[in-house]
Amino acid sequence: EIVLTQSPATLSLSPGDRATLSCRASQSVSSYLAWYQKKPGQAPRLLIYDASNRATGIPARFSGSGSGTDFTLTISSLEPGDFAVYYCQQRYIWPPLTFGQGTRLEIK
Amino acid sequence: EVQLLESGGDLVQPGGSLRLSCAASGFTFSDYVMNWVRQAPGKGPEWVSGITGSDFRTFYIDSVKGRFTISRDNSKNTVSLQMNSLRAEDTAVYYCAKGGRGTAMVFDYWGQGTLVTVS
Repeated sequence: EIVLTQSPATLSLSPGDRATLSCRASQSVSSYLAWYQKKPGQAPRLLIYDASNRATGIPARFSGSGSGTDFTLTISSLEPGDFAVYYCQQRYIWPPLTFGQGTRLEIK
Repeated sequence: EVQLLESGGDLVQPGGSLRLSCAASGFTFSDYVMNWVRQAPGKGPEWVSGITGSDFRTFYIDSVKGRFTISRDNSKNTVSLQMNSLRAEDTAVYYCAKGGRGTAMVFDYWGQGTLVTVS
């Protein structure tokens, strides 16, 4: 099973700041990594798929990069609605499909 | 507009059974793999099971194999999860999640979830 480790666990930033979130895989997942945003009481929302492709309707301030074992989600200028928990997910080797444990992005 | 609506969550005793259902609309249902993903309180999401669109291949996480059964009815645009021999560790919000074509396991749409409590 591929283990995804996200860092940091919590990131405290202000609106307008740049956020950089990391996801590291226990073995290569090629480019088959996705990022999701989760807010309390809401369903998860797909942001990025296959490492760097924005999902439909996702603003350009969200970008993804990386391949192999190291991936980054960048939010270029934080808006109030971006404060949430972010998860990465791999689909390269499955079952099982696996998610990271999440990074909580909170307002500083 | 893609919509996924789950139902069936409830409080059940350990060892009991429950059947979750998901009604889908807004896309050609039979073209896409459908999944159940759960999230326990304070934890990250956990993929549970998936079923392909037309050939009905099924996939499960090891911890539910032999206890859970996923199925779909393409004539009714529904996917179901039959959960037997439930354990406390199955307690979670269960989400129905649409995948891609074939076995492209990227979850581009999710339902609002249904709560399963095993206690």
